[in-house]
Amino acid sequence: EPEVTQTPSHQVTQMGQEVILRCVPISNHLYFYWYRQILGQKVEFLVSFYNNEISEKSEIFDDQFSVERPDGSNFTLKIRSTKLEDSAMYFCASSYLGDLANTGELFFGEGSRLTVL
Amino acid sequence: GENVEQHPSTLSVQEGDSAVIKCTYSDSASNYFPWYKQELGKGPQLIIDIRSNVGEKKDQRIAVTLNKTAKHFSLHITETQPEDSAVYFCAARSDDKIIFGKGTRLHILP
Repeated sequence: EPEVTQTPSHQVTQMGQEVILRCVPISNHLYFYWYRQILGQKVEFLVSFYNNEISEKSEIFDDQFSVERPDGSNFTLKIRSTKLEDSAMYFCASSYLGDLANTGELFFGEGSRLTVL
Repeated sequence: GENVEQHPSTLSVQEGDSAVIKCTYSDSASNYFPWYKQELGKGPQLIIDIRSNVGEKKDQRIAVTLNKTAKHFSLHITETQPEDSAVYFCAARSDDKIIFGKGTRLHILP
């Protein structure tokens, strides 16, 4: 069964360092998402991406964050200068179409745990 | 924007009993309501969803109900089993994104 894969599974970094989290969405999917989950809290929307541009972003997704689809398979989240409060599990997700109400499922990866020291 | 409230935050039920988790949403334009199960160290996985043109949907031991007028939707798990222990998230679609509730940690007691 096709799946969303994320790397690394865990990254530890020093405050102020840049971090890149990588995702390989399901191959025929067109819409890509990043979500964040701080330990024990809810899953929060960060950004959605379609046709090589951001379609929507949340308040959390400030200038320190950026996303990119550098080739036909990878979808990356970059945090330019990490802060302690960026420590969280970051989930990538993808769907075939953006109209989730008609096409159903958003597929999530297993997550990348980021620890900022 | 959409706001999804979920309760209870923690729920313990005896194995074999039923579990009910309730959610409300704020955006009357929301029309898609998925439920996700998250096991420890894993990403959320869709277990059931309901669209706004349907009031109830059932899949084996899991059922979801939707009351659009009241903006309520609920997850019902019958004949609970140990493997049902997990965190469950309700969610609602707003524009092209899914907004999650805060989650319910379900414990199935032996």
